[in-house]
Amino acid sequence: GDSVTQMEGPVTLSEEAFLTINCTYTATGYPSLFWYVQYPGEGLQLLLKATKADDKGSNKGFEATYRKETTSFHLEKGSVQVSDSAVYFCALHNTNAGKSTFGDGTTLTVKP
Amino acid sequence: DTAVSQTPKYLVTQMGNDKSIKCEQNLGHDTMYWYKQDSKKFLKIMFSYNNKELIINETVPNRFSPKSPDKAHLNLHINSLELGDSAVYFCASSQVGVGEQFFGPGTRLTVL
Repeated sequence: GDSVTQMEGPVTLSEEAFLTINCTYTATGYPSLFWYVQYPGEGLQLLLKATKADDKGSNKGFEATYRKETTSFHLEKGSVQVSDSAVYFCALHNTNAGKSTFGDGTTLTVKP
Repeated sequence: DTAVSQTPKYLVTQMGNDKSIKCEQNLGHDTMYWYKQDSKKFLKIMFSYNNKELIINETVPNRFSPKSPDKAHLNLHINSLELGDSAVYFCASSQVGVGEQFFGPGTRLTVL
């Protein structure tokens, strides 16, 4: 079946540091890929997405590129802020199966 | 307007009781989901409904019964609550064929 593996947390960074959260996937066909963010006490919300190979999703300074050859969708941000402290989930959607698969989440804490 | 809403936000109850959580979406989506998030933030899909029809039913005790009176509502009824049912339960919705999911704010269930 489909699976998503993301970097284990927690991750702690200082403000303005560079962020990378690794995500790799296994899936049949050509899934769409997503990053969701969950702020404390809230539900998940879509951060960015990419629907085909080499697409780059971006939002709020975050970026991720759909790499089919390495089956990866790593999340990056050049300069994190305290307000970026949250749990980040990598996910894929298998259109054929009509099913989404989420990674285990990575908790990010940014300190001033 | 809230896209996906859940009630109640907090639910504290005794072992052995029966409780329900309600979910409504006003996005016109065809598919709705229930997820369980444990204390380590792992997200596990429980059920998926498409146009009021059960599509995905992961390995969940039959004490959990989803009910979809119409495609805008998906309620979760839990019988004979156990300590291990304590978690945050999220409702979500999506359009068929589109992977992006919209999540509700969550219901924190505490079983004493």
